Amino acid sequence: GIQVEQSPPDLILQEGANSTLRCNFSDSVNNLQWFHQNPWGQLINLFYIPSGTKQNGRLSATTVATERYSLLYISSSQTTDSGVYFCAAGGATNKLIFGTGTLLAVQP
Amino acid sequence: NAGVTQTPKFRVLKTGQSMTLLCAQDMNHEYMYWYRQDPGMGLRLIHYSVGEGTTAKGEVPDGYNVSRLKKQNFLLGLESAAPSQTSVYFCATTLRGGPSYEQYFGPGTRLTVT
Repeated sequence: GIQVEQSPPDLILQEGANSTLRCNFSDSVNNLQWFHQNPWGQLINLFYIPSGTKQNGRLSATTVATERYSLLYISSSQTTDSGVYFCAAGGATNKLIFGTGTLLAVQP
Repeated sequence: NAGVTQTPKFRVLKTGQSMTLLCAQDMNHEYMYWYRQDPGMGLRLIHYSVGEGTTAKGEVPDGYNVSRLKKQNFLLGLESAAPSQTSVYFCATTLRGGPSYEQYFGPGTRLTVT
């Protein structure tokens, strides 16, 4: 089955800094999503991005399906960006395989 | 709209006891999922449903059963709880069809089995 690897596992930033999170997947996919889990445990969908580039405010994501990776960019980070960022990939059935996440801490 | 809700939020069980977790959604989504999240790991799919009356196994189905008698509800049952089932359980939903396949998550249920 599909395997999903995320890097880095941990990241500490100063407020205002930019960062790039990476997600590699082992097979071709037609479903790739990024999620943010806040410190209270709530999971929020950030992007559905099986290919191409999307932007939402300070966040953007790019998936290069042919090379089997996706990147999540966070610009001008804020303390509220802290939490765990998950990448999840899957096929047509909408069954997602999650990576182990990147733990982000943004310090004021 | 409440979105996706889960009941209960917290529960402590003794080994061998049974319980049912309820997931309810008011978004008229077809697909529903149950995941578990353990420390240091991502979410793992337990069971899922692609419509009322249907269920299927995910990555880690052993020790769990599910039912989808109504479109808006997805139940996860533990018949004989074990300490290895201590985890945070999340329900998620997806709209079937169309261009949007984003998964929407409930707030989670924290289960401890002693």
